[in-house]
Amino acid sequence: NAGVTQTPKFRVLKTGQSMTLLCAQDMNHEYMYWYRQDPGMGLRLIHYSVGEGTTAKGEVPDGYNVSRLKKQNFLLGLESAAPSQTSVYFCASSYTPLGGGYTGELFFGEGSRLTVL
Amino acid sequence: GNSVTQMEGPVTLSEEAFLTINCTYTATGYPSLFWYVQYPGEGLQLLLKATKADDKGSNKGFEATYRKETTSFHLEKGSVQVSDSAVYFCALGNQGGKLIFGQGTELSVKP
Repeated sequence: NAGVTQTPKFRVLKTGQSMTLLCAQDMNHEYMYWYRQDPGMGLRLIHYSVGEGTTAKGEVPDGYNVSRLKKQNFLLGLESAAPSQTSVYFCASSYTPLGGGYTGELFFGEGSRLTVL
Repeated sequence: GNSVTQMEGPVTLSEEAFLTINCTYTATGYPSLFWYVQYPGEGLQLLLKATKADDKGSNKGFEATYRKETTSFHLEKGSVQVSDSAVYFCALGNQGGKLIFGQGTELSVKP
């Protein structure tokens, strides 16, 4: 069982370049999330999706776009990369939504390390 | 607003030592509380959780008790092993619709 798979795992970009991170889950989860992890700041939610065809902004959405055209995939795009977007990006999925009655179990991918020069 | 504060790391212990990682929170309503663990080179995974006051979550020898009166959810383990070396994240989930993570505490256990 693959769980949550992220590609690519490593990428180096120049300022202004664009790229897309792909997240795929095989657990039939409704909910998917993109986080970024920076030293001393924990994980911060960028965007999330509560189902196929839906997306919503998280805590730090500026400079990113997302799409959820298929239930199993959640794409994170950077249209014009900036050095401030150098980070480790994590995708996660869950059965139930964040909030009331929430079981709390997010399933995470292994992360994608992005460096913007 | 809602927030989670963890003790700063890194924490370095000898094998078989007692571990405490402090976590306090600020929240409206009645949040659920979680500890996630991140082993080197991997994503986060749920370690334990508690959904209401006085609940105790436990897993793999780790424990944490939901203390509403002190707004705390401290992680403890009686005897750590080298394999417990990882980064530990305290997190809060509530009806506001977001899971909020603390900044993480790195634990290093020496043989």
